[in-house]
Amino acid sequence: QSVLTQPPSVSGAPGQRVTISCTGSSSNIGAGYDVHWYQQLPGTAPKLLIYGNSNRPSGVPDRFSGSKSGTSASLAITGLQAEDEADYYCQSYDSSLSGPLYVFGTGTKVTVL
Amino acid sequence: EVQLVESGGGLVQPGRSLRLSCAASGFTFDDYAMHWVRQAPGKGLEWVSGISWNSGSIGYADSVKGRFTISRDNAKNSLYLQMNSLRAEDTALYYCAKGDSSVLEGVGNYFDYWGQGTLVTVSS
Repeated sequence: QSVLTQPPSVSGAPGQRVTISCTGSSSNIGAGYDVHWYQQLPGTAPKLLIYGNSNRPSGVPDRFSGSKSGTSASLAITGLQAEDEADYYCQSYDSSLSGPLYVFGTGTKVTVL
Repeated sequence: EVQLVESGGGLVQPGRSLRLSCAASGFTFDDYAMHWVRQAPGKGLEWVSGISWNSGSIGYADSVKGRFTISRDNAKNSLYLQMNSLRAEDTALYYCAKGDSSVLEGVGNYFDYWGQGTLVTVSS
């Protein structure tokens, strides 16, 4: 039940900058809930990449940055590297009437050309 | 080092039950909310259920509500997911994930550590 929309794929050459959008609504991102990003390398579990819209956990390169505005958020990868080839997911919280609800984006596959 | 190790997955017939477990270590388990997140083969992530630090607040995705039950045993540093009336669409890799706070509700809650997952296949 993904309620956050991401582009299915983005690609770029090594060294380039790519961005991934995450579009929500007034019940999640637009309601003021933070957006977080996860990186899932092939065959592995997701890993926290960005939390609280724009914060990087220890060990995450500063090539990764996040932002949020209105009902959308973005993840940017600058200086794209081969090891960045992975699936990326945004996540937020949704104020559903039926109780607490966490929502993920549809996922974006990043390909390094 | 935070470690989350899931177990209990396997092949099960539609309509049957399965119980997943997650053994946690490397952090003070009863200080944090815990969650189950699943990923169907070739698909994206779906939050399944979450439980607050003291089991006082529990949430479920609509897709599993009434069929799945989450629980925790803080004395054993363990998280559980009882899955009943399983359907083919429940087939997925089930991840145990640690919340960043003690509660489920919040402006900025996220999942800061993940296990490697346990595979559940529902098929006759």
